[in-house]
Amino acid sequence: DVKVTQSSRYLVKRTGEKVFLECVQDMDHENMFWYRQDPGLGLRLIYFSYDVKMKEKGDIPEGYSVSREKKERFSLILESASTNQTSMYLCASSFGRLRDDNYGYTFGSGTRLTVV
Amino acid sequence: EDKVVQSPLSLVVHEGDTVTLNCSYEVTNFRSLLWYKQEKKAPTFLFMLTSSGIEKKSGRLSSILDKKELFSILNITATQTGDSAVYLCAVYGNYGQNFVFGPGTRLSVLP
Repeated sequence: DVKVTQSSRYLVKRTGEKVFLECVQDMDHENMFWYRQDPGLGLRLIYFSYDVKMKEKGDIPEGYSVSREKKERFSLILESASTNQTSMYLCASSFGRLRDDNYGYTFGSGTRLTVV
Repeated sequence: EDKVVQSPLSLVVHEGDTVTLNCSYEVTNFRSLLWYKQEKKAPTFLFMLTSSGIEKKSGRLSSILDKKELFSILNITATQTGDSAVYLCAVYGNYGQNFVFGPGTRLSVLP
């Protein structure tokens, strides 16, 4: 009954590496989101997408880029990983319009990324 | 800028206690407020609130929204160790189509 899948649960990368985090949803949601979660700071929005090939910057896009070539897949790219990008990364998806029965976001299980 | 504040940020109680978690917000054209529970992985949905004064209830958990005073509370009665988690509050307004999250309240329930 998996609905939002993130490709890796734990990841360790070296400074300067290019890192790809993948997220796939099977609910035909229009919207997809990437957040990072840090203690005391909560969830902060990195990028989001309303449609295929469309992307919008969130609150903290610096050092990240995204790709949405297909509706079900939203990739987060760290162009050159740095130690301050060590964090928990959460992908989420939702329908395009909020409805009483769609319960907002569905989250993936998260990827804990450590950059050394 | 939309903003969500939660209090307390951390709370330690013993099994059987009742707790109240707070969420206040400032958002343009408020549409809904959601509560999530996050244990060690993905946040899971608890409640969606859109109307003032209508309590939503699920077992020992309940929540209510006050749109005049711009806050919501989440109550947990007869707490159990399985209630230990981070509780997230998120608010949806007309700015974009994404929710704004608060920092979360970390609840620890001791046996």
